[in-house]
Amino acid sequence: KQEVTQIPAALSVPEGENLVLNCSFTDSAIYNLQWFRQDPGKGLTSLLLIQSSQREQTSGRLNASLDKSSGRSTLYIAASQPGDSATYLCAAVKGGATNKLIFGTGTLLAVQP
Amino acid sequence: GAVVSQHPSWVICKSGTSVKIECRSLDFQATTMFWYRQFPKQSLMLMATSNEGSKATYEQGVEKDKFLINHASLTLSTLTVTSAHPEDSSFYICSARDVNTEAFFGQGTRLTVV
Repeated sequence: KQEVTQIPAALSVPEGENLVLNCSFTDSAIYNLQWFRQDPGKGLTSLLLIQSSQREQTSGRLNASLDKSSGRSTLYIAASQPGDSATYLCAAVKGGATNKLIFGTGTLLAVQP
Repeated sequence: GAVVSQHPSWVICKSGTSVKIECRSLDFQATTMFWYRQFPKQSLMLMATSNEGSKATYEQGVEKDKFLINHASLTLSTLTVTSAHPEDSSFYICSARDVNTEAFFGQGTRLTVV
């Protein structure tokens, strides 16, 4: 059974800092891995999707890496801003007919102005 | 990205009544839809997966008679919480995908049972 864990559970940084969020998964047989952002009381916004054959994806100040063999993914946020404050969730996508997403425990990020 | 509309965004109901939540894919055909439940400060837990025209597949521990899922068309799935109780109060989120595409998420429904 796939289990996805995120470290740290919460993180507070001053504005402008670069930061790394970690995601680990127990079953390396994934179809892809996806990072999401969730604002309080809201749905999910997809940030980056990394296919199993890829090692990283970049979008603006965000960079996500994937190491399937070690069961790890990281989300790097450069030059953090107060608007980046949110909960960040990673999800391992199981292959097959349904492509279920198994979500991690989340990291609550607060960027202090 | 594609748009998934979830309605209502919040609902308050009395204990013992049933509540229906709709999930619509607006600009693509959703061959598969997923329903998640999220408790405060916790992650999303998959409740069930539904394919258009088929019965939903429920995750272990989810009562199928309690949470009725209908996926009658390629653009609409509904989740009905039957005989709701206060412990059913939660944030429910749907997601939808077409074949070989990523899943897109609705904005969620906050259910409060009083």
